Amino acid sequence: AQKITQTQPGMFVQEKEAVTLDCTYDTSDQSYGLFWYKQPSSGEMIFLIYQGSYDEQNATEGRYSLNFQKARKSANLVISASQLGDSAMYFCAMREAGGTTDSWGKLQFGAGTQVVVTP
Amino acid sequence: ETGVTQTPRHLVMGMTNKKSLKCEQHLGHNAMYWYKQSAKKPLELMFVYNFKEQTENNSVPSRFSPECPNSSHLFLHLHTLQPEDSALYLCASSPSGDRVVGAFFGQGTRLTVV
Repeated sequence: AQKITQTQPGMFVQEKEAVTLDCTYDTSDQSYGLFWYKQPSSGEMIFLIYQGSYDEQNATEGRYSLNFQKARKSANLVISASQLGDSAMYFCAMREAGGTTDSWGKLQFGAGTQVVVTP
Repeated sequence: ETGVTQTPRHLVMGMTNKKSLKCEQHLGHNAMYWYKQSAKKPLELMFVYNFKEQTENNSVPSRFSPECPNSSHLFLHLHTLQPEDSALYLCASSPSGDRVVGAFFGQGTRLTVV
């Protein structure tokens, strides 16, 4: 069963505006991590932001912030002041607690949201 | 410049060919991964290696054969592939004990099977 759900296949956003990308997840673990990655057309997956399940404050990294609502199992990404270079696919991913600390790159991904920033 | 390098970037192969994908990381990470990204599907984890040992194989067909000779290099040997195996193959690595960064990815090899 799909554990990460991204319901927005694509979005258009105007330059300098903020955009929110939705992500919901499903896990029975108490300890887990949530990630957002950006994938430009070049193919590389670029790490943007991380939220741990026990982190009380929402994560922020520059223009990226993660709106973490644990009870709703929601981890939405907010990009403020969009730039043309933000046009890309955005993936939400989860790392569950099972396994050793040697495999923290073992991630489950959502289907992604294509963001197009327009001038 | 990415810390994880994949070669080749593009590969076209026939169904009877044998080819290999290469991944190299000089980040000092101990875990390496192969992911498959097919059109209109989420990324799928294929294999996990920790300290050169395979720790996970997600029911991947035997026509995909991984090899990890050391913690810095990971290969994916391909033989008798099918057209549905056409996809972007992404290699990743992660450090031990550092949860925050998840996985560092390469730029991928775009594989087309004809």
